[in-house]
Amino acid sequence: DADVTQTPRNRITKTGKRIMLECSQTKGHDRMYWYRQDPGLGLQLIYYSFDVKDINKGEISDGYSVSRQAQAKFSLSLESAIPNQTALYFCATSDDRGEQYFGPGTRLTVL
Amino acid sequence: SQKIEQNSEALNIQEGKTATLTCNYTNYSPAYLQWYRQDPGRGPVFLLLIRENEKEKRKERLKVTFDTTLKQSLFHITASQPADSATYLCALDNGSGKLIFGQGTELSVKP
Repeated sequence: DADVTQTPRNRITKTGKRIMLECSQTKGHDRMYWYRQDPGLGLQLIYYSFDVKDINKGEISDGYSVSRQAQAKFSLSLESAIPNQTALYFCATSDDRGEQYFGPGTRLTVL
Repeated sequence: SQKIEQNSEALNIQEGKTATLTCNYTNYSPAYLQWYRQDPGRGPVFLLLIRENEKEKRKERLKVTFDTTLKQSLFHITASQPADSATYLCALDNGSGKLIFGQGTELSVKP
């Protein structure tokens, strides 16, 4: 089984809808991250969490919120989706050595 | 502002040759530099991590160099194979545990 799983894998929604993307990991890592990737661009950090009680904004947090429900679970929410949030979203985990393990991604389309 | 630049043009090479990819950065003092491989529609996969006090690191056919004076890392794949075709991302960490990614370089190895 995959170490980092994301659900859903694909989602099409309409402007103004609330969307939640979920991430689970079995690696036992404390650190978890949410990124978005747009075509031809690198990964941009949205939010990150270094333990269950720690939540930090990344480079592009506006329009997004997160919840760290447990060590293994980190959810990303779009409260009111807009078309420019159409992107590929990745969850990742790491231990304190720094190398990150990524999930398979969620392709989100906002119409 | 912090900036990471990778070759924006795709790199096309012949099987068996050495591929060399470049990562340059400005306005940043990385403690670690990492390289990832990303296949289309999939999450990045960690390849190598090199610390600021290390000049070179090797893993099988991969070699990474890190020159903090030039603010540059080179990533080499020797005896390249068509299966090495992918996008390669460099990422920097200033010790905070957060990564900043370059936009990636697409490598195509022709048989």
